Amino acid sequence: EVQLVQSEAEVKKPGDSVKISCKGSGYRFNSTWIGWVRQMPGKGLEWMGIIYPGDFDTRYSPSFEGQVTISVDKSISTAYLKWSSLKASDTAMYYCARIGIQGVIIADYWGQGTPVIVSS
Amino acid sequence: EVVMTQSPATLSVSPGERVTLSCRASQSISSNLAWYQQKPGQAPRLLIHGASTRATDITARFGGSGSGTEFTLTISSLQSEDFAVYYCQQYNYWPPSFGQGTRLEIK
Repeated sequence: EVQLVQSEAEVKKPGDSVKISCKGSGYRFNSTWIGWVRQMPGKGLEWMGIIYPGDFDTRYSPSFEGQVTISVDKSISTAYLKWSSLKASDTAMYYCARIGIQGVIIADYWGQGTPVIVSS
Repeated sequence: EVVMTQSPATLSVSPGERVTLSCRASQSISSNLAWYQQKPGQAPRLLIHGASTRATDITARFGGSGSGTEFTLTISSLQSEDFAVYYCQQYNYWPPSFGQGTRLEIK
C-alpha cells in the first residue's frame, strides 16, 4: 500500500527556519518523482516543485524558486521542504504528493498535509 | 504559465442529480488534464487523468471529457459523498497549474 506520511504541524515566528518532511512507503521511492503542493487558508492548490530522488533532479515553479528548498534523503525514503526565513504569508497547508504516473506531473497519492503557521 | 479557469465557482445541486463542471485552459493542453476531489479537512484525491481516464478505484459515476482548451467533469447521480471541491490541473506545460476549484454543495 502506497503511503505518504508527513511531519506534524509547525508554529513559527517570521524569520524562523523550518523543514517539514514526507516519508514514502509501499512503492519505489528512489525511482518516482515526488512534489509539494501549497494550499493557503480557504484557497486553491499550487504546485511548488518536484524532485526525483534517484538523481536529485529538482524543479521549482517560478513563484517558489528561491523561496523554498526541496530535498530528499534516499536512505530513509523521505522528502523535505525547507524555508530559511519564514514570512506570515507562508502560513498554509503543505501537501506532499507522489507523481506516480510515469512521465506526467499528476499527484496520484497524497500525504495528509502539514500545517505551517507563521505568526508573531 | 497556463491559467486554468473553472466554472461555476459554486454549484448547488440535489442528491441524485447529474452535474457537469467546466474547466478551460488559457492555451491548448491537448488531453493533459487531471481532476481532483477535495473534501473538508482532507487531502485531494485524484479522480481523472488524461482528460477521461479514471484513476484507480474511482467509481464510473465520474466521467471526464474534452481536449485542447475545454474540459468537463460529469458526475452522474450525485451521492452524499460527492459534495466537495473539485479542481482541474493541467500538466502539459511547466509549471503544472490548477484551476481555482468548483464547490459542489447540497441544495
